[in-house]
Amino acid sequence: GAGVSQSPRYKVAKRGQDVALRCDPISGHVSLFWYQQALGQGPEFLTYFQNEAQLDKSGLPSDRFFAERPEGSVSTLKIQRTQQEDSAVYLCASRPRASGSTEQFFGPGTRLTVL
Amino acid sequence: AQSVTQLGSHVSVSEGALVLLRCNYSSSVPPYLFWYVQYPNQGLQLLLKYTSAATLVKGINGFEAEFKKSETSFHLTKPSAHMSDAAEYFCAVSDESGGSYIPTFGRGTSLIVHP
Repeated sequence: GAGVSQSPRYKVAKRGQDVALRCDPISGHVSLFWYQQALGQGPEFLTYFQNEAQLDKSGLPSDRFFAERPEGSVSTLKIQRTQQEDSAVYLCASRPRASGSTEQFFGPGTRLTVL
Repeated sequence: AQSVTQLGSHVSVSEGALVLLRCNYSSSVPPYLFWYVQYPNQGLQLLLKYTSAATLVKGINGFEAEFKKSETSFHLTKPSAHMSDAAEYFCAVSDESGGSYIPTFGRGTSLIVHP
C-alpha cells in the first residue's frame, strides 16, 4: 500500500516568500503530525491533528507558521515570510489511531532552503 | 513531561562487532518507547517498539532493545554490525501526558560501520 507522501521534496525560497508544504497521509489514519528536523538533530514537534481537528500547535515557532487538515486527510503546512532560520527538513507522519502505542509512519520529508 | 537522552552523537564500530546505542527516557507515567532508523534523504522507519508487554523487544534487521524501568533506559543492540546498518538512529518516548500521545524524539545517534 501507499505510504505517507510529501511534496515538494525540495523547496528553495527567497527570504520573505511564502511556502506551502503538502502531506498525504496513509488513507484512514486518524493522527497526523508535523515535525521540523534541523541538520544533525532529531525531529522537533510542530503540530498535531486528530482527523480535522488541530489538537496541539504548541510547537509552531511563530505565527508565521500555519497548518491545516480541512477534511481530515491531506494536510498543508504554510510558512509565511520565510526566514533563513526556517531552513530545515519538514517531516510529516501519520498514525492509524490516537493511541500512543502505535507507531508513526513517516513521509520522506520536504527539504526547505531559504536563501 | 517526557524527554529522551541519547548518549553519543556518533558511534563507530567495525563490521561484525556489537552495536550498542544508548537511550534514557524521562516520563511521569508508563511510557511507550520506539527506535527509528533514518537513511539519508529518507523519512524515519520503525525498528521496534515497547508497549508494556515483554521487556525485551525484537525488531527488524536483527536489532533488539531491552526496557529497564529501574534504569529508565531502552538501549538498542545488534550482535553483529553490517555495513548496511550505517544510518541515523532515533529513540522516541510517548506517554499520555496531555492526552495526545505526542512522541518526543532524541537528538539521534549516527552509526558508522567500518569494513
